[in-house]
Amino acid sequence: QKEVEQNSGPLSVPEGAIASLNCTYSDRGSQSFFWYRQYSGKSPELIMSIYSNGDKEDGRFTAQLNKASQYVSLLIRDSQPSDSATYLCAVLTGGGNKLTFGTGTQLKVEL
Amino acid sequence: DTEVTQTPKHLVMGMTNKKSLKCEQHMGHRAMYWYKQKAKKPPELMFVYSYEKLSINESVPSRFSPECPNSSLLNLHLHALQPEDSALYLCASSQDRGSSTDTQYFGPGTRLTVL
Repeated sequence: QKEVEQNSGPLSVPEGAIASLNCTYSDRGSQSFFWYRQYSGKSPELIMSIYSNGDKEDGRFTAQLNKASQYVSLLIRDSQPSDSATYLCAVLTGGGNKLTFGTGTQLKVEL
Repeated sequence: DTEVTQTPKHLVMGMTNKKSLKCEQHMGHRAMYWYKQKAKKPPELMFVYSYEKLSINESVPSRFSPECPNSSLLNLHLHALQPEDSALYLCASSQDRGSSTDTQYFGPGTRLTVL
C-alpha cells in the first residue's frame, strides 16, 4: 500500500469552476499535511499547510483535513488557466524531517 | 523571505566527470535536504542534514556525496554518475524546530544531464 495516494489525473475543469483535489495517507500518526504546486520543469511551490481537522482557507485555496478518514483535500475556487499544474500532496512522517509525497494530480483549467 | 537558491541551473556532465551542486539559504533554517525528481514522478528524498549533521541517507549510491559546510550551505558532490542519474535535483530547507509542523521550502532545482 502506498503511503500517500493521489489520483494522477489529468483533472480537467473549466475556467471559473471549483477544482477538487484529493489525497489519502496510510500513517495514522501523521500530523502535518502540505499541498505543493509544481509547474512543468519547475520546482514544487508550497500552496497550503494544514495540521488540524477541518478547513483552512487562503484566498482561492481551501485545504480540508479529516484525520479519522486519513483524507486531505485541496479546493481551488474560480480556477484560472494559470492554476494548470501538478499538485503534490505531502505528509510529514517519521516524527520529523521526512516528507512523503503522493504521485501528484495534474490539473488542467480549460478556457 | 522563503528563498532557497541553487547553482547551477543546468549541468551536463560525462560519466567520468566530477561536479558539485550547491544550495544556499539565509532563512536561519537548520535542516537542509536533497531530493531527486525524475519526469512525471514526485520528489524522492536523498539526504537530510539537521544542524549540520547528516541525519538521513536514503540508501543513496556513494557516487553522490553530500556535504554541509555550515548551516546555510549544502553541497552535493557528483562522481562517476550514470545516465539514469539524469534528473532534476532539488534542495529544500526547513526550520527543524523538532515540531510536527516543520515546513520545507524548495529551491529552483538543478537540471542534471549525464551523457
